[in-house]
Amino acid sequence: EAGVAQSPRYKIIEKRQSVAFWCNPISGHATLYWYQQILGQGPKLLIQFQNNGVVDDSQLPKDRFSAERLKGVDSTLKIQPAKLEDSAVYLCASSSQPGYGYTFGSGTRLTVV
Amino acid sequence: DAKTTQPNSMESNEEEPVHLPCNHSTISGTDYIHWYRQLPSQGPEYVIHGLTSNVNNRMASLAIAEDRKSSTLILHRATLRDAAVYYCILSRWANAGKSTFGDGTTLTVKP
Repeated sequence: EAGVAQSPRYKIIEKRQSVAFWCNPISGHATLYWYQQILGQGPKLLIQFQNNGVVDDSQLPKDRFSAERLKGVDSTLKIQPAKLEDSAVYLCASSSQPGYGYTFGSGTRLTVV
Repeated sequence: DAKTTQPNSMESNEEEPVHLPCNHSTISGTDYIHWYRQLPSQGPEYVIHGLTSNVNNRMASLAIAEDRKSSTLILHRATLRDAAVYYCILSRWANAGKSTFGDGTTLTVKP
């Protein structure tokens, strides 16, 4: 079984620029999550999708972050404009049903300079 | 969500058992206890989860206290590949995805 794919693996941008991350979950997994992990901390949930609908985006900074999951498969997370404090690893995870034994991708490491 | 408390770091010798503790005194009756671990430069990976009874799988064992206010992840024979950050999280039903990750326990395995 192929894992959760994320790209790019690394990204360096200047503050105020925009950036997008892509996630392809495990085939058939209806639930998809995006997390932000700042160095030295545990992952923090940003948004949860069930198929192509948003279940929870209460911790997503909506003034600059947006996410979509068209057709209930791939997902993109965008930051516009980026701030220095957005430097982190952005992790995508998926599961066949909400939360049970979910699988993470390797993440995208974002550095904002 | 109920919070968990874990030691910041632990050390173990290779081939010896490791007991990683987690306190969750405010756990509710419907909260599952999940353990994930994160190896360097990788996303977290599922280790084990349980509700009330002790659980075993090929990776580890989970011992849950009778009052469910604490649990222990047991690695029966630590290897160098087990060096990672271990997270104990709580979730309602099985929806671990919405749980709050703390900062976990960094396990160092010495050869």
